[in-house]
Amino acid sequence: GNSVTQMEGPVTLSEEAFLTINCTYTATGYPSLFWYVQYPGEGLQLLLKATKADDKGSNKGFEATYRKETTSFHLEKGSVQVSDSAVYFCALSGDDMRFGAGTRLTVKP
Amino acid sequence: DAMVIQNPRYQVTQFGKPVTLSCSQTLNHNVMYWYQQKSSQAPKLLFHYYDKDFNNEADTPDNFQSRRPNTSFCFLDIRSPGLGDAAMYLCATSIIRGGSGQPQHFGDGTRLSIL
Repeated sequence: GNSVTQMEGPVTLSEEAFLTINCTYTATGYPSLFWYVQYPGEGLQLLLKATKADDKGSNKGFEATYRKETTSFHLEKGSVQVSDSAVYFCALSGDDMRFGAGTRLTVKP
Repeated sequence: DAMVIQNPRYQVTQFGKPVTLSCSQTLNHNVMYWYQQKSSQAPKLLFHYYDKDFNNEADTPDNFQSRRPNTSFCFLDIRSPGLGDAAMYLCATSIIRGGSGQPQHFGDGTRLSIL
């Protein structure tokens, strides 16, 4: 079945550092891929998505590229801010949405 | 703004006392989902409605039930809450189920505490 494996956290970075959160997937067919972000005490918010191979999703300085050859969808940001502190979930959509375990990011001033 | 609204944000109930959580949406989406989330773990799908068709996940306890009286509203009923049911409950919607790049739209959740 479809599944998502996500880099374990927690991840702690200093402000303006480069961020990478790894995500790989196993799927039949051609799923769509998503990154969601969850701030403390809130629900999940869609951060970005990609629907086919080589698509790049981007939003708020975050980027991720749908790599079919490596079955990956790694999240990157060039310069993180304290306000980016949250839990990040990679997900894929087949018949159902499959979420990774989540990666907690803490950005320190 | 179109959105998914969950009420209340925080709910406290007693062990074994029935509780109902509510979700409403202004997106006019066909599908509504209920997830259980513990301690920032991945959300766990409990069930979903595709229009009026109810779909229960195989491992969802019988203690959890749901109602969708119309397109806009969906309720989660926990008949006899146990301590293990303390969690964040998330409601989500989507235009269709699965595929086609359609994301799910989440409410802010209801955090349920059991005394």
